[in-house]
Parts: sequence; structure tokens; C-alpha cells
Amino acid sequence: DTGVSQDPRHKITKRGQNVTFRCDPISEHNRLYWYRQTLGQGPEFLTYFQNEAQLEKSRLLSDRFSAERPKGSFSTLEIQRTEQGDSAMYLCASSSLTWASGSSGELFFGEGSRLTVL
Amino acid sequence: GDSVTQMEGPVTLSEEAFLTINCTYTATGYPSLFWYVQYPGEGLQLLLKATKADDKGSNKGFEATYRKETTSFHLEKGSVQVSDSAVYFCALPNDYKLSFGAGTTVTVRA
Repeated sequence: DTGVSQDPRHKITKRGQNVTFRCDPISEHNRLYWYRQTLGQGPEFLTYFQNEAQLEKSRLLSDRFSAERPKGSFSTLEIQRTEQGDSAMYLCASSSLTWASGSSGELFFGEGSRLTVL
Repeated sequence: GDSVTQMEGPVTLSEEAFLTINCTYTATGYPSLFWYVQYPGEGLQLLLKATKADDKGSNKGFEATYRKETTSFHLEKGSVQVSDSAVYFCALPNDYKLSFGAGTTVTVRA
């Protein structure tokens, strides 16, 4: 399977614990995105990388959230001191650099990592 | 910033019925417009797109026409199947990311 993969698919944790999600994008894609999706809502942008550089972060990304893409390949999203409001589906997507023109717009999404904070 | 607004669901239909999901956009200029679909248990995937005004995107029997006069990009299918049951999202580019609508859940009954 050469699509975007995310791990774990489901995570249940207690409030206050730290969690980390991993995303492996399509190998030739330079751009990697993290989105959050809650029930009944569309995906909300969190952050994106071009290669290893984190180029934009949403205001939704509080200081408890950190994302990395150390070698421009896989990425991790860590949430520290989780809160019940962090319960959501965390989506990763990747795209090729040619999307910079805005003419393609195809993001390839993984199946998501569902977080439940008790 | 640029954004899309889509009709709220859920929408429940019988097989072979006609489906329309409304989407309107607010943008400076004329951005590309997209429909993404999320089937149960799967990731979002691009369904169709239109890159300029009056373009019609089509795929899997679905169509959407980019209408700048009404700032709309409504999704239509003439005869839905049970396999079309999914959540549908309208989207547009916002700098180097996509902004999505809230999604419309469509359930097709046999």
C-alpha cells in the first residue's frame, strides 16, 4: 500500500497524559498536513510542512501541541497534557510540491487517528 | 479568508433518487473548487474539481459546475446508489492548504 498511513488508528487516554501520532506520507510528496476533525464538522487545518520545514501553524494549535517532520519524511504530532476537548480524529494528508500553484488541490489523506480523552 | 458554506444534512434518499448538495463560496478572485468524499471507515478522497469559472467537474456519475455569478459549486448525481452513502465536503484552497465545509452526510437506502 503506497498511500498515507497513520498510527495508531485509535487511542484512548486519560486526561493529562501525553499522546503521539505518526504519519507516513506518500513517499514522493514534499508537503505534509495535519488536520483535526470533530463529529459533524469538516477537517480543520492545524499545520503543514514543506519537506522538514514547518511553514504554517493554525491558532488551533495550542502550545500543548507540537508537530515535527525531522527528515522530511514521516511526521509526528504530539499532544501534551491532553484535555477532553482534544478528543477528535486527527488527519494527515500529503501532496506534491506542484500544488503550490493552487491548480491541483489534491491532498491524499490517511484514514486518521481517533483520539478519545477520558 | 476564503471559505465555503455547504448545506447541512443529513440527507437520506432512496436508490435511484436525484441528489443535490449545495455549496457556496466566499473568495477574492476565482479559486479552484473541490468536492471530497469520505466513505465509512476510509480517508477523505478527492471526488472532483473545477479550476475556473464555468468549468464542470465530473467523476463517478457526480457533477458540479463552477458558477461565479452565484458563487456556487453544487454537487449533483442523477441516480444514487447505496454505495454513494458517505460524507461529502466542499473545499477551496486557502494559501497552501484546503479549507473545508462542514460536510453533508448522505445515506442511500435500498
